[in-house]
Amino acid sequence: DVKVTQSSRYLVKRTGEKVFLECVQDMDHENMFWYRQDPGLGLRLIYFSYDVKMKEKGDIPEGYSVSREKKERFSLILESASTNQTSMYLCASSKGTSGRLTDTQYFGPGTRLTVL
Amino acid sequence: GQNIDQPTEMTATEGAIVQINCTYQTSGFNGLFWYQQHAGEAPTFLSYNVLDGLEEKGRFSSFLSRSKGYSYLLLKELQMKDSASYLCAVMDSNYQLIWGAGTKLIIKP
Repeated sequence: DVKVTQSSRYLVKRTGEKVFLECVQDMDHENMFWYRQDPGLGLRLIYFSYDVKMKEKGDIPEGYSVSREKKERFSLILESASTNQTSMYLCASSKGTSGRLTDTQYFGPGTRLTVL
Repeated sequence: GQNIDQPTEMTATEGAIVQINCTYQTSGFNGLFWYQQHAGEAPTFLSYNVLDGLEEKGRFSSFLSRSKGYSYLLLKELQMKDSASYLCAVMDSNYQLIWGAGTKLIIKP
């Protein structure tokens, strides 16, 4: 069974704070993803990584950065949180053998971030 | 631009059948996914279609017509636990998933 865990279910931060969201998967997956989910909108890809130390921008990378120092861990960083970054953040991973990105993505439980 | 359309909300009765439609316009196509998401929880994988036709998996079936840019998810013998949002996502030519906003399915006794 694939397990993707995220460091917090709920987080409240102040405007301007630096925020770290951690994601860990235990299935040796190559690919990891960060999305945000807002009411009335589909999931939007922020960043993804297909290997350790590799990262690619998604559709909405502005205001975010990521880090993948180990295969199982993918961190999302909000350098200076703003109120428009209040959202549900979902991490996902997929097997991605040999760079294949068509594999099923498995999601963590999400972190609901509120920026005041 | 790329677009995925699905109804915002549907209501059905326990024990009945419901069909959730999804239409898409994307740059390229590398498969279509359906996910289920209960309120406050993570999306969980239901099905993947890359060829035309119907894929059946227990009470759930998913259909794809690539020429029409159309898919549906069919849920039979509805149970109260099927109350959830159903997300349609298409993988484009860059292997990025384009997500619909989801269909909230309400099951009534």
